[in-house]
Amino acid sequence: GAVVSQHPSWVICKSGTSVKIECRSLDFQATTMFWYRQFPKQSLMLMATSNEGSKATYEQGVEKDKFLINHASLTLSTLTVTSAHPEDSSFYICSARDRGPGYGYTFGSGTRLTVV
Amino acid sequence: AQSVSQHNHHVILSEAASLELGCNYSYGGTVNLFWYVQYPGQHLQLLLKYFSGDPLVKGIKGFEAEFIKSKFSFNLRKPSVQWSDTAEYFCAVYPYSGAGSYQLTFGKGTKLSVIP
Repeated sequence: GAVVSQHPSWVICKSGTSVKIECRSLDFQATTMFWYRQFPKQSLMLMATSNEGSKATYEQGVEKDKFLINHASLTLSTLTVTSAHPEDSSFYICSARDRGPGYGYTFGSGTRLTVV
Repeated sequence: AQSVSQHNHHVILSEAASLELGCNYSYGGTVNLFWYVQYPGQHLQLLLKYFSGDPLVKGIKGFEAEFIKSKFSFNLRKPSVQWSDTAEYFCAVYPYSGAGSYQLTFGKGTKLSVIP
């Protein structure tokens, strides 16, 4: 079945530095990928929709200058957390739609970001 | 905007007990419905999905869900749970419009703990 690879699985960084998270669709092309953030004991919150070859669409309240999204190819989307702060510590998950509408979304394994 | 409600935050059951997790959504149009499971330390996996047709959907690992349109509900059931079913379960809704960016809305999740 469809596989989405997310890397790294966990990262610790110092406050003020930037961190890049990669999301790859391994056996299918994904024109659209989604980036979510999951807080402890809460559901996934959609941060942005990543569109191949165009700008990402950000949800209300998400700072686009802080969470830079690049969807350079049909199999790769990246999320860069710029000038990270401790409050950015969270679990970030990407997903891609693997077929037509409603066929299901395949999720990456997530990235645990800890900013110290 | 659509919303998804999962009524139970944490459910504790003994092995062999029956399970029913509630999910209600608010959207008046056609929807696609999903249940995802997240085992401890793992990524989200699709349990089952509903597009159309038979409102009783069977998924993996003995899970099933019933779509009741009049109640805007998509409850997840399993006749006899096992310790290995301990996980967090997320209901998700995709409002089908025939176009758009195919964004899922998730419920807040229900944590299931099965006691041996």
